[in-house]
Amino acid sequence: EAAVTQSPRNKVAVTGGKVTLSCNQTNNHNNMYWYRQDTGHGLRLIHYSYGAGSTEKGDIPDGYKASRPSQENFSLILELATPSQTSVYFCASGPGQGNTEVFFGKGTRLTVV
Amino acid sequence: GDSVTQKEGLVTLTEGLPVMLNCTYQTIYSNAFLFWYVHYLNESPRLLLKSSTDNKRTEHQGFHATLHKSSSSFHLQKSSAQLSDSALYYCALRVNYNVLYFGSGTKLTVEP
Repeated sequence: EAAVTQSPRNKVAVTGGKVTLSCNQTNNHNNMYWYRQDTGHGLRLIHYSYGAGSTEKGDIPDGYKASRPSQENFSLILELATPSQTSVYFCASGPGQGNTEVFFGKGTRLTVV
Repeated sequence: GDSVTQKEGLVTLTEGLPVMLNCTYQTIYSNAFLFWYVHYLNESPRLLLKSSTDNKRTEHQGFHATLHKSSSSFHLQKSSAQLSDSALYYCALRVNYNVLYFGSGTKLTVEP
């Protein structure tokens, strides 16, 4: 069973503060992804990575940065958090080929006040 | 660009009735891979079923779907809804071995 671990699981941040969400996968998957989940919008792709050192913009990258320092770790960084970034964030990993599935973490609930 | 449409945001059914959740997609590429993910409360979203073969029915855990490339559809069906099927269901698209694009999701509630 693929394992994707996110930390923290819950976070309250102040507007204008910096937030880092971390994700670790132990399955040696090349691809990793950050999504946010909002009612009515589903899962929207923020950033993704093809491997260590690579980051790519997804559909909604504004206000977010990503970092992939190693095969196992992929971080999402909010340099200046805003209330509109209050959401549930999911990290996922997968081989990224054809009909292979992606495996999700349990999510991080972020509240920006 | 590539996209997935799930028109129903909320579906409420009585236990025992059939389930049909709609999914259509848009892509210029012919090698589309379609997926259904299910997200139960307080768990991780997980794969329910997938397909890339035109007009072939795929089944898993009582659910089934058939990819129809002519109509760009991949509707999820089940003959008889159970209370335990209550969850959020996402249709997703992958083309060209790239990222997975999700629809807006359908929240299914099954009532006694």
